[in-house]
Parts: sequence; C-alpha cells; structure tokens
Amino acid sequence: DGGITQSPKYLFRKEGQNVTLSCEQNLNHDAMYWYRQDPGQGLRLIYYSQIVNDFQKGDIAEGYSVSREKKESFPLTVTSAQKNPTAFYLCASSTQGQGVPYYGYTFGSGTRLTVV
Amino acid sequence: GEDVEQSLFLSVREGDSSVINCTYTDSSSTYLYWYKQEPGAGLQLLTYIFSNMDMKQDQRLTVLLNKKDKHLSLRIADTQTGDSAIYFCAEYGNDMRFGAGTRLTVKP
Repeated sequence: DGGITQSPKYLFRKEGQNVTLSCEQNLNHDAMYWYRQDPGQGLRLIYYSQIVNDFQKGDIAEGYSVSREKKESFPLTVTSAQKNPTAFYLCASSTQGQGVPYYGYTFGSGTRLTVV
Repeated sequence: GEDVEQSLFLSVREGDSSVINCTYTDSSSTYLYWYKQEPGAGLQLLTYIFSNMDMKQDQRLTVLLNKKDKHLSLRIADTQTGDSAIYFCAEYGNDMRFGAGTRLTVKP
C-alpha cells in the first residue's frame, strides 16, 4: 500500500540535543512538507520541498533543518537552537500538477517530540 | 483577517447533524478541503471542493461553498460517536493554509 511513514511515533530529547525525525513516502509525490502542531494553534509550516535537492523555509523554520537527497525521503532535524521543541510534528506530501496539489496533501501519522 | 478561521469546539448529540463552519482568506483559492484528525494521528482528507462549485455531497458529508462571503461549511448527517475528532478546513491559493481546527464531540 502506498503511503507516508513517520518515525519514531514518540521521541524524547534532552536539552541541547539535536534529534532527527524521519519521513518516507512511496506515493511518487514530488512535494513534501513538515508541519508543527501545537494545541489550539492548528498547523504551522516549517519547511517544504518541491523537488529533490531543493527546499524552502516555511513560517517557523528557525531552529530546524531539512534535507531532500531522495524523492522518497524528507528528514527533519530539530536543533538545540529550537527553544521550545515540544510539539506534534506532521509530515505531508502531494502531487504538484501545474503547481496545484490535486486532492490535497497526504499526511503521515506524526511524531510527538517531548523535551525532558 | 489573514487567517483561515474556524470555531474551536462543537458538541452534538449522536444522530443529530453537525455543521462546522470556516471562513477562508483568498477569494482566488482554487481548492478548499476538509480534513479529519483523530487523537494522536495525522490528518485524513475527507473531501475537497473546487472553487467553481457551490455544493458537493459525499454520503453523509455535504460541503457548501459561498464564494462571495468566503465561507465554507461541512455538514455531517446522522453524526456518530466515531465522528468525534478535530476537523480542519484548508484553502489552496498560492499555498496551502489551514484553519486551527474544530474539535467535534459527539455525545451518546
């Protein structure tokens, strides 16, 4: 079955550590996205990538980094510069037919990151 | 305003209809979407509507679009306890914008 897989489901980070969240898709989608979700605040875009080896900052990129070396993979690193990283992180992907994501985005099941 | 706006909470009785409302921002948005999020899970696309449509029906779901007022609604007929979740509306113009989500609680 085609889909988008995030791992791990739960992640604990100590102060000052970098951690990497995995996102893999086998939908042959060109575009991939990372969102942060905090209670009552909806989704905020961290980074997105429309093509391999290229990515752009979203609304809240500070303290995060990404790479897009393969079409299927878009890992997110939460660096020690991110002062409030505790949140639920969602990865998504979409087609990019003529720049419009037909049928919306496909989301992974999320990673809950907690600072301990 | 610049945000996609939704009320945060809605509570209904099982068997009643639920109506979740959304005001979006961009009159040129091409697609409008409704997503469902269950606890601890990602968002699942429920339905979408093209901007040149006024209404779309899909089984128990009815989407109404009022372009003049930039208002989108999702009606769930015969609401069940399994419909309890957070519902997000989203618009796509130049980029995808999500509302903050409406938490629907269905009481037996």
